[in-house]
Amino acid sequence: QKEVEQDPGPLSVPEGAIVSLNCTYSNSAFQYFMWYRQYSRKGPELLMYTYSSGNKEDGRFTAQVDKSSKYISLFIRDSQPSDSATYLCAIIYFNKFYFGSGTKLNVKP
Amino acid sequence: DVKVTQSSRYLVKRTGEKVFLECVQDMDHENMFWYRQDPGLGLRLIYFSYDVKMKEKGDIPEGYSVSREKKERFSLILESASTNQTSMYLCASSFMQNGNQPQHFGDGTRLSIL
Repeated sequence: QKEVEQDPGPLSVPEGAIVSLNCTYSNSAFQYFMWYRQYSRKGPELLMYTYSSGNKEDGRFTAQVDKSSKYISLFIRDSQPSDSATYLCAIIYFNKFYFGSGTKLNVKP
Repeated sequence: DVKVTQSSRYLVKRTGEKVFLECVQDMDHENMFWYRQDPGLGLRLIYFSYDVKMKEKGDIPEGYSVSREKKERFSLILESASTNQTSMYLCASSFMQNGNQPQHFGDGTRLSIL
């Protein structure tokens, strides 16, 4: 079983929609979670970094961790065409990094 | 802002050549990493380093070596390039503190081996 699993998509939504991106993970000891955004032909850019359970909000982005279900989510409100990118979830555990395979999002104008 | 700079965005080399990919970070990070990213395979760790002159193998080290002579610089070396090493190469760095600091990535080097 992989440490973190992510649906590759692609996910296509109209502009203004609420987007939900999700990952599941295997080890209940994991506590530090990240979301990266990667535009085509660029490196991943750190979007959100969260610890333990609950929600963290930054503008239109909300990261949510449900430790009981071992489920992490990224919500994007009022999605824009500029949000079109691949989103990778990631977990850090004592300097070991586990990445999801990425979900490709397309926001149509 | 953290800046991780990779020396080339695009590189074309021939099979059998020795190839050097350079990465520099400006945040005094202890940890540095080299990944390759291929469609359908995600990010795969090649090598990482926790300190100067220190290196550890990742998941796919075969055909690669690394060098870290200075804290801010981490080089990836393809000893004898082969076509199956055509890929996007990403460098990343992070703080060592408490073992749970996020990585910051460069913009990648798209390497083609002909």
